[in-house]
Amino acid sequence: KAGVTQTPRYLIKTRGQQVTLSCSPISGHRSVSWYQQTPGQGLQFLFEYFSETQRNKGNFPGRFSGRQFSNSRSEMNVSTLELGDSALYLCASSEGREGSPLHFGNGTRLTVT
Amino acid sequence: GENVEQHPSTLSVQEGDSAVIKCTYSDSASNYFPWYKQELGKRPQLIIDIRSNVGEKKDQRIAVTLNKTAKHFSLHITETQPEDSAVYFCAARVTSGTYKYIFGTGTRLKVLA
Repeated sequence: KAGVTQTPRYLIKTRGQQVTLSCSPISGHRSVSWYQQTPGQGLQFLFEYFSETQRNKGNFPGRFSGRQFSNSRSEMNVSTLELGDSALYLCASSEGREGSPLHFGNGTRLTVT
Repeated sequence: GENVEQHPSTLSVQEGDSAVIKCTYSDSASNYFPWYKQELGKRPQLIIDIRSNVGEKKDQRIAVTLNKTAKHFSLHITETQPEDSAVYFCAARVTSGTYKYIFGTGTRLKVLA
């Protein structure tokens, strides 16, 4: 099976712009989660989608949003970018059932200048 | 709130020695605890996990122990090798009707040859 695929791998944006990141989960996985990884902060939970519904959301401002399509692919959008949004954004898929582990993609490294 | 504390933040050991990383979680409803290894520039990868109905699990040189009463869980790596050098993250899966993981802030392990 192919792993979790994230595109693009790298992005450079300027403050105020918006960005959309994409994630294709492992085939058969219906749950997609998004995490922000920054040095010293570890992985911060953004949100999780299952069958096109957002099941939970982390403590991020409303500028961060996401969605999931019927084929389980997910997108994350960040509007009005700030310098502090520079980070590695990781997507993870799972079966979404009790105790099913997360499988991460390689991430999208976003740099905001 | 939901929180996972991880210690130490950095750990250096001589090749062949053991390494122990400890995590404490706050949500008593957590019932699944995975550990991820992230090598430089790569995705986090699941190395071992434990469910709340088990006190210990072992896989070759890696073991995880769980103390539900104290809300502690630990990763033990024996006979460390240079390729064990990486950042290790613990996580706790929050149930409480939702499906999200809270991650620790990571431990950078250096195995000195």
